[in-house]
Amino acid sequence: EVQLVESGGGLVQPGGSLRLSCAASGFTFTSYAMYWVRQAPGKGLEWVSYISSSSWTIHYADSVKGRFTISRDNAKKSLYLQMNSLRDEDTAVYYCTKEYYYDSPYGMDVWGQGTTVTVSS
Amino acid sequence: EIVLTQSPGTLSLSPGERATLSCRASQSVSSSYLAWYQQKPGQAPSLLIHTVSNRAAGTPDRFSGSGSGTDFTLTISGLEPEDFAVYYCQHYGSSRFTFGPGTKVDIK
Repeated sequence: EVQLVESGGGLVQPGGSLRLSCAASGFTFTSYAMYWVRQAPGKGLEWVSYISSSSWTIHYADSVKGRFTISRDNAKKSLYLQMNSLRDEDTAVYYCTKEYYYDSPYGMDVWGQGTTVTVSS
Repeated sequence: EIVLTQSPGTLSLSPGERATLSCRASQSVSSSYLAWYQQKPGQAPSLLIHTVSNRAAGTPDRFSGSGSGTDFTLTISGLEPEDFAVYYCQHYGSSRFTFGPGTKVDIK
């Protein structure tokens, strides 16, 4: 079964840091690009970051550029999101997602269950 | 930066009716990179359609996608009870992935 399981969410104060992890199973992790997508409470979906299969290509949304860092460990079949200088507006459910077709940005076909990040004093 | 606009914001229909959802881009986009997702309450989104008109694995054939340039459409030919949900379009371009604000399809 193809599966993505996120962890690492929690409550953090503004200005704090958090590291999210995503464990992948059931597919050849090394062959696919991966994403982080978030959803603030009661709001729509917002793309956060993208990393290609080899980590060669990385993109960030303007809202997180310079504060968040995406990375992956292909040997461990894991995706990460290091979040620094957190703001209230970063409060959201964070989803780890898999690219549908290798490194081509056609769509995100597998989603984790999400991990909740709450930024509040 | 491309902005996606979805209309209507809410679509109230009865089971069995046809649903037509619109996604409009602020400028012409590559058709290869237009996808549709469904999200049910309390669940993660799921991919319905990729590259404008290709159904993802497991997507029923009552779902179809079409369009080009700036105007794209998701059509549900006959609503089933499980289709009442929120639908998002999404595009990739210029190193950015953009989601539309969503259309909620609810029961009339």
